[in-house]
Amino acid sequence: DAKTTQPTSMDCAEGRAANLPCNHSTISGNEYVYWYRQIHSQGPQYIIHGLKNNETNEMASLIITEDRKSSTLILPHATLRDTAVYYCIVRAVTNSGYALNFGKGTSLLVTP
Amino acid sequence: NAGVTQTPKFRVLKTGQSMTLLCAQDMNHEYMYWYRQDPGMGLRLIHYSVGEGTTAKGEVPDGYNVSRLKKQNFLLGLESAAPSQTSVYFCASSYSSGLAGANEQFFGPGTRLTVL
Repeated sequence: DAKTTQPTSMDCAEGRAANLPCNHSTISGNEYVYWYRQIHSQGPQYIIHGLKNNETNEMASLIITEDRKSSTLILPHATLRDTAVYYCIVRAVTNSGYALNFGKGTSLLVTP
Repeated sequence: NAGVTQTPKFRVLKTGQSMTLLCAQDMNHEYMYWYRQDPGMGLRLIHYSVGEGTTAKGEVPDGYNVSRLKKQNFLLGLESAAPSQTSVYFCASSYSSGLAGANEQFFGPGTRLTVL
């Protein structure tokens, strides 16, 4: 799995967009970018994944740069319930069935 | 559709006692996993299973055993609990193939275990 780098913590005002960056400069052509989050005391939750095109679902948007060396997870209208640790994981689909390397992630605090 | 459920939610054991944690999923997933998470740390894989009747060791398997007798259930056993096994245990499951493959894992709510 390619190494990822995320800021340790970020703040965001409620109702504003939260933009969480992830650097994955050594990503390979067959590796996808996955985002998970873990709200305090709960199990991790899958958010979104992408290969090279931007992706959007009901939870978030994922923007991947053209060279695929970095990406940004966007929560368009952050709420207090979005306060969590967000993990960026890079992995090939073929490398399945094994532990996801969650790393330390970004601790997002959404404030009123 | 309950997703992934875990029982019990909390448990306190004395050193040397044994117990079994139960994980159940109703999504017909082939893969199932057991992780542990210690305070301030990421998740570490204990054991996993790629199908009914099969199990494999993960990153930190010592002191644990698992069984997958039915596709929907994955059991984690502690034969002789130690204080170092105090942790939060998460079960997860996933499909074996597809675009996201087994990398889209669905997690249970966790079991908080304290070993005195």
